[in-house]
Amino acid sequence: AQTVTQSQPEMSVQEAETVTLSCTYDTSESDYYLFWYKQPPSRQMILVIRQEAYKQQNATENRFSVNFQKAAKSFSLKISDSQLGDAAMYFCAYRNVNDMRFGAGTRLTVKP
Amino acid sequence: KAGVTQTPRYLIKTRGQQVTLSCSPISGHRSVSWYQQTPGQGLQFLFEYFSETQRNKGNFPGRFSGRQFSNSRSEMNVSTLELGDSALYLCASSLEQFRTDTQYFGPGTRLTVL
Repeated sequence: AQTVTQSQPEMSVQEAETVTLSCTYDTSESDYYLFWYKQPPSRQMILVIRQEAYKQQNATENRFSVNFQKAAKSFSLKISDSQLGDAAMYFCAYRNVNDMRFGAGTRLTVKP
Repeated sequence: KAGVTQTPRYLIKTRGQQVTLSCSPISGHRSVSWYQQTPGQGLQFLFEYFSETQRNKGNFPGRFSGRQFSNSRSEMNVSTLELGDSALYLCASSLEQFRTDTQYFGPGTRLTVL
């Protein structure tokens, strides 16, 4: 079974600084997708960024970028120029044709 | 476009009862997935519906069921409620089937079982 591991239950970053959230996954599949979702205190999940496993190029979305290491099964999220609005739970997720798995989440605090 | 909506937002039930939760996807989206979120187990996939058919199912007992209507709206039913069913139930919709498309989540239904 596929598993997704987020080893950092909590992270803290100073406003305007950069922070990296870690995620590793386990799969025997070759075709899959990886996602980072953000869940602010209001509880609505928002897609931050997605990565197709067949693409070697790391995905970027404005201040958000990933470091996708397929061989190592690692998928970290880098948030640059952190803002107060980035404070939330961040979930790493894996999806293939049959299943979707989430990590336990990392709670990110942004200090002014 | 309006986002994914879920009703009701909050629900209190007692053990043994059954409950039905509703999800309206984004207009034009044909796939609806359901997830259970608890502090202990985190986010777990329940099932996915596409074109009124269940396409994928997570590892949940048969007390959890769902259906999708021709307008893509979906309902999830939990029968014989247990205390452990207390959770936030999230619905997510996507244009196409599960595998390749980005999912958009609703605000969730908070179910409390007493």
